[in-house]
Amino acid sequence: KAGVTQTPRYLIKTRGQQVTLSCSPISGHRSVSWYQQTPGQGLQFLFEYFSETQRNKGNFPGRFSGRQFSNSRSEMNVSTLELGDSALYLCASSSGKAAQLVYEQYFGPGTRLTVT
Amino acid sequence: SQQGEEDPQALSIQEGENATMNCSYKTSINNLQWYRQNSGRGLVHLILIRSNEREKHSGRLRVTLDTSKKSSSLLITASRAADTASYFCATDAGSGYSTLTFGKGTMLLVSP
Repeated sequence: KAGVTQTPRYLIKTRGQQVTLSCSPISGHRSVSWYQQTPGQGLQFLFEYFSETQRNKGNFPGRFSGRQFSNSRSEMNVSTLELGDSALYLCASSSGKAAQLVYEQYFGPGTRLTVT
Repeated sequence: SQQGEEDPQALSIQEGENATMNCSYKTSINNLQWYRQNSGRGLVHLILIRSNEREKHSGRLRVTLDTSKKSSSLLITASRAADTASYFCATDAGSGYSTLTFGKGTMLLVSP
């Protein structure tokens, strides 16, 4: 099976702009989670989608949003970028069924976002 | 907020030696997972241990879980230079679904 893919791999944006990141999960996986990784805060959970529905959301401002399509592909959007949004954004997929325990997650290579 | 706290923050050893990393967490869990991350790349799942398990093995990896102490350890035996990476523990913090809370990680350097 192909792994989790994320596009683009690198992005440079200016403060105030918006950005959209894309994630294609492993075939058959219906759960997609997004994480932000920074040197200061480490890995932080952004949100999780399952069958096009957001099931869980981390403690991030409303500028961070996401969605999932019927083919399980997911996008996340960050509007009005700030310098502090510079980070590695990781997407992970799992087979996580509804109301089940946490499954192991398969991560993509990440998108490195730099905000100048 | 971080659920898990890894210890030590950094570890430097020689090839062939064993490496032990510890993780402590705060709230009750259903399971605990360990991941590896090579410099600036995605995370790779290593092992998952459920709250009713005490020990689990996978190749050169041995994970223990002590729910009474809210702690886990990851032992890598006979380490290799290719094991150089950051290692993270992650818990579900009892929230279910696929939400993981990660610690800040242990950076392991294995020198030839």
